[in-house]
Amino acid sequence: QKEVEQDPGPLSVPEGAIVSLNCTYSNSAFQYFMWYRQYSRKGPELLMYTYSSGNKEDGRFTAQVDKSSKYISLFIRDSQPSDSATYLCAMRGAGNNRKLIWGLGTSLAVNP
Amino acid sequence: DADVTQTPRNRITKTGKRIMLECSQTKGHDRMYWYRQDPGLGLRLIYYSFDVKDINKGEISDGYSVSRQAQAKFSLSLESAIPNQTALYFCATSDSAGTVKHFGDGTRLSIL
Repeated sequence: QKEVEQDPGPLSVPEGAIVSLNCTYSNSAFQYFMWYRQYSRKGPELLMYTYSSGNKEDGRFTAQVDKSSKYISLFIRDSQPSDSATYLCAMRGAGNNRKLIWGLGTSLAVNP
Repeated sequence: DADVTQTPRNRITKTGKRIMLECSQTKGHDRMYWYRQDPGLGLRLIYYSFDVKDINKGEISDGYSVSRQAQAKFSLSLESAIPNQTALYFCATSDSAGTVKHFGDGTRLSIL
């Protein structure tokens, strides 16, 4: 079993929809949770960064961490065609030298 | 200018050739990383460096070597390329907290 599981999709939604992207994990030592967005032929870019449990909001994006269920989510409100990309979750344990463990990414298409 | 620059962007070469991929960054970060990305396998860490004198193997270092020429420069070499090293290669940097924040746009490498 992989340490981090992420449904690869593809996910296709109409413009304006609320998008929910999810990852599950098995290692209870993970403390830091990240979401990256990757456009075609580009490197990943850090979108959201959360420590421990709770919610974090940044504009149309909300990251949610439920450590009791070992489940993280990224919500995108009022989705736009420019949100079409692959979304990668990543996480790591405490300590500055812990390596990132990556999900495989979910491909999202927002249709005009 | 991009924060992390990778050269070349694309490379096609033959089995057995030695190849060097170069990475330079303007973020002033001490930590640099080399990843490869393959469909269905996601991002996998090849090598990482926490400073000029510190080089560490990642999860898939066999067949690869690296050189940290300066704080801003980190190169990846394939000593004798083989077809299963065909992949998308990314260089990345992080601050001392360990969150990988900046990726280059990747090198698409094909080995025939």
